[in-house]
Amino acid sequence: GENVEQHPSTLSVQEGDSAVIKCTYSDSASNYFPWYKQELGKRPQLIIDIRSNVGEKKDQRIAVTLNKTAKHFSLHITETQPEDSAVYFCAAGNDKIIFGKGTRLHILP
Amino acid sequence: DTGVSQNPRHKITKRGQNVTFRCDPISEHNRLYWYRQTLGQGPEFLTYFQNEAQLEKSRLLSDRFSAERPKGSFSTLEIQRTEQGDSAMYLCASSPRVTGELFFGEGSRLTVL
Repeated sequence: GENVEQHPSTLSVQEGDSAVIKCTYSDSASNYFPWYKQELGKRPQLIIDIRSNVGEKKDQRIAVTLNKTAKHFSLHITETQPEDSAVYFCAAGNDKIIFGKGTRLHILP
Repeated sequence: DTGVSQNPRHKITKRGQNVTFRCDPISEHNRLYWYRQTLGQGPEFLTYFQNEAQLEKSRLLSDRFSAERPKGSFSTLEIQRTEQGDSAMYLCASSPRVTGELFFGEGSRLTVL
């Protein structure tokens, strides 16, 4: 069945440094790849998404890359700030959306 | 508030009881999804609807779980004969289109004693 693997499960970076989270997916029919941020006790919220006809997308300090051949996609956060501390989920699909298990990102002062 | 609304927000029940959760999606969103989330895990897909049609139900989902969206607006998720392993946050999300952003509700937290 469809599966989305996400790594690492926990990531600690110094404030101001970059953070990278990587995901792989199994369903080659997937054409939509969103990333969600979930703060403690809150609902997941979309931060950026990419579709299969695009290899890269950037929004201020956040960028996503997609390699459809390898079935890999990644989230890059530059110049990290304390408010970036949260759990990040990648997801993939075209009709139904399957989520990864999440990465807990800690921004160290 | 015109976001996704879920009720009840919290439910504590005894093992073997039935529970029902309701989700009111954003108006005119024709896609509605149910997910289950346990501590430290990502949202686990349960089922989804296009208007009133249930398009898919997770193969991992026991037949104790049933969902409806009778008029293509609100949806209900019923769990029969609850088990302790059903304890989780049940998240509803709606979307205006295929491969569109999922807008999540606050969730309904179920505790089975």
